[in-house]
Amino acid sequence: DAEITQSPRHKITETGRQVTLACHQTWNHNNMFWYRQDLGHGLRLIHYSYGVQDTNKGEVSDGYSVSRSNTEDLPLTLESAASSQTSVYFCATQSRRDSPLHFGNGTRLTVT
Amino acid sequence: AQSVTQPDIHITVSEGASLELRCNYSYGATPYLFWYVQSPGQGLQLLLKYFSGDTLVQGIKGFEAEFKRSQSSFNLRKPSVHWSDAAEYFCAVGGTGGGNKLTFGTGTQLKVEL
Repeated sequence: DAEITQSPRHKITETGRQVTLACHQTWNHNNMFWYRQDLGHGLRLIHYSYGVQDTNKGEVSDGYSVSRSNTEDLPLTLESAASSQTSVYFCATQSRRDSPLHFGNGTRLTVT
Repeated sequence: AQSVTQPDIHITVSEGASLELRCNYSYGATPYLFWYVQSPGQGLQLLLKYFSGDTLVQGIKGFEAEFKRSQSSFNLRKPSVHWSDAAEYFCAVGGTGGGNKLTFGTGTQLKVEL
């Protein structure tokens, strides 16, 4: 079965360090998204991509970057981790505009 | 800008009772509407979706939702709740007007009393 794999599942890092969260999908979907989930805020869009070499900013993109060198992967990088970036991060994929999102199981990131 | 409001943060119902979770949206064009469910430690799973046509849509696990354009609402219902329905529920809106980006509500945590 096709799936979305996020790694690591849990990560603890220190303020100021660079961190990369991995997202790998075998759905062969062009559209990929990164969301963060925080209590009281639901899910907020960080970055998204509609295909290889395409990346776009979401509503909470400051301090984050992504790159899309192939269809399967959309790694999320925190350039200099801050305590405000402690959150649960979800990767999602979508086959086309009117299709629902498929979600990975999330990465819980703690910045100390 | 598109937005979603889920006015109930927590809801508690008895097993076997009916359920209605509220969702109101703001969107400048014809919306695509979704309900997702999240169990602890898991990602989100799609319950149902509305794009067009019949305003009452059926989903998995016995859930249904009704799109009411005049009220900008897309409330989720279930006639008889099971203990396994305890989870967090998210309403989301998207569509061609906003690209295919989804905006999520803040979620409603459902507790089921036995």
